[in-house]
Amino acid sequence: AQRVTQPEKLLSVFKGAPVELKCNYSYSGSPELFWYVQYSRQRLQLLLRHISRESIKGFTADLNKGETSFHLKKPFAQEEDSAMYYCALKGNPPQKLVFGQGTRLTINP
Amino acid sequence: NAGVTQTPKFRVLKTGQSMTLLCAQDMNHEYMYWYRQDPGMGLRLIHYSVGEGTTAKGEVPDGYNVSRLKKQNFLLGLESAAPSQTSVYFCASSYATGTSLDNEQFFGPGTRLTVL
Repeated sequence: AQRVTQPEKLLSVFKGAPVELKCNYSYSGSPELFWYVQYSRQRLQLLLRHISRESIKGFTADLNKGETSFHLKKPFAQEEDSAMYYCALKGNPPQKLVFGQGTRLTINP
Repeated sequence: NAGVTQTPKFRVLKTGQSMTLLCAQDMNHEYMYWYRQDPGMGLRLIHYSVGEGTTAKGEVPDGYNVSRLKKQNFLLGLESAAPSQTSVYFCASSYATGTSLDNEQFFGPGTRLTVL
């Protein structure tokens, strides 16, 4: 089964605090995972993908195959990080993406 | 480049009415997708297309039909709308799968549909 689970629908942290958005997946093959973000009144866009191991807007995510997780982290949250975040898994057939339920992140001033 | 565009942006239908949502992309992408977004459900794939003239079912295809007569356009049809189809609909497109870098999906702005 291909499944992505984001256990937190809502997450609220204060500006400057660390933030971690959780993502767990279920996939029998070698997974490829992504984080997409949707800012207010903007379209959904790719934030980062695990295979490129890059840091975008201060966010990082490490694939942990043992725990089947791909948590998104940022050491110091900023108000502009407030958005809806979706974790996604490259599924089978490979042109499909399987999305999690999404986490709405709110950064309080 | 406009990227991915969707028309209309908003629509209100009565139960039983039909409508077509249009998605257009100018990036010469081979693959196109239709999703619906519902609170607490994330994005769920309705139908997708891997090329002109081809379509395939996604996770929640019932009550919808699609057509890809031209590479740049992907149409989503509701033949007889139901209140359960009230949702925000997103179209996306991507290059053909080759490497993971090809798999980025580019999204449209969404269509908010209400069925009364």
